[in-house]
Amino acid sequence: EIVLTQSPGTLSLSPGERATLSCRASQSVSSNYLAWYQQKPGQAPRLLIYGASSRATGIPDRFSGSGSGTDFTLSISRLEPEDFAVYYCQQYGISTFFGGGTKVEIK
Amino acid sequence: QVQLVQSGAEVKKPGASVKVSCKASGYTFTNYGISWVRQAPGQGLEWMGWISGYTSNTRYAQKFQGRVTMTTDTSTRTAYMEVRSLRSDDTAVYYCARGSSYLVTTDLDYWGQGTLVTVSS
Repeated sequence: EIVLTQSPGTLSLSPGERATLSCRASQSVSSNYLAWYQQKPGQAPRLLIYGASSRATGIPDRFSGSGSGTDFTLSISRLEPEDFAVYYCQQYGISTFFGGGTKVEIK
Repeated sequence: QVQLVQSGAEVKKPGASVKVSCKASGYTFTNYGISWVRQAPGQGLEWMGWISGYTSNTRYAQKFQGRVTMTTDTSTRTAYMEVRSLRSDDTAVYYCARGSSYLVTTDLDYWGQGTLVTVSS
C-alpha cells in the first residue's frame, strides 16, 4: 500500500496570494501517476491535474502540478475566491490511494 | 456532455445491504471503467474498487473484498455497487467516477453527485 501524506493540513491565505500544497508518497509513484482534485463543501471532487503536471480540461492555468518519484506539489499562482476548498492528491500507479487532503482557507 | 447520475439517499439498519446505482450518459460506456469512492462525514476520500464498462471485470480494494459487489448493465449504461453487512462506520457519501481510460488504475475525470448512505439502528 502506498501512503500519501499531504501537508500542511490547513493553509490560511488571502486572495491573490500563492498557494503551495505538498503530497509525499511512502514509495515511488510509477510513471508519475499522480492526480490532484479540488472539493468544495457538498460537491463531488473535481479533477485538476493528472500525470503529475497535466491540467485537466477546463482547468485555469493558475493551477500547476510538479514533482516526481515521491514528492509532488500543487501550486495555485494567485488565489481566486472560488479556489478556497479542500485539495486531495491521488496516486494510481499501484492500486489507487488518496491523500488525507489540504484545506485552503481564507485568512 | 459526460454525466453520471446516482440514485438517492438511503437509510439502512446495521447488517442490511444497500445497492447504489450510477447511470452514465454522454460517452461510450464500454470504453471506460467506473470506480467507486466513498467519503465518511468530515473525512477524506477512500477508493473502494473498479469495474470495466466493457468486460465487467472488477478489482476491489482489499478492505472491501467479500463485502462489496460491483456490476454493470450495458443496456442501460448503469453501474451498480452493493455493500453487504452494513455497519455504522459505512455511513458515508458514495461516489461513482469515470476513469479517464479503460485501465483499472487511472485518474477520475467525471464524478457522480454522490449518494448518502446512513447506517443507523
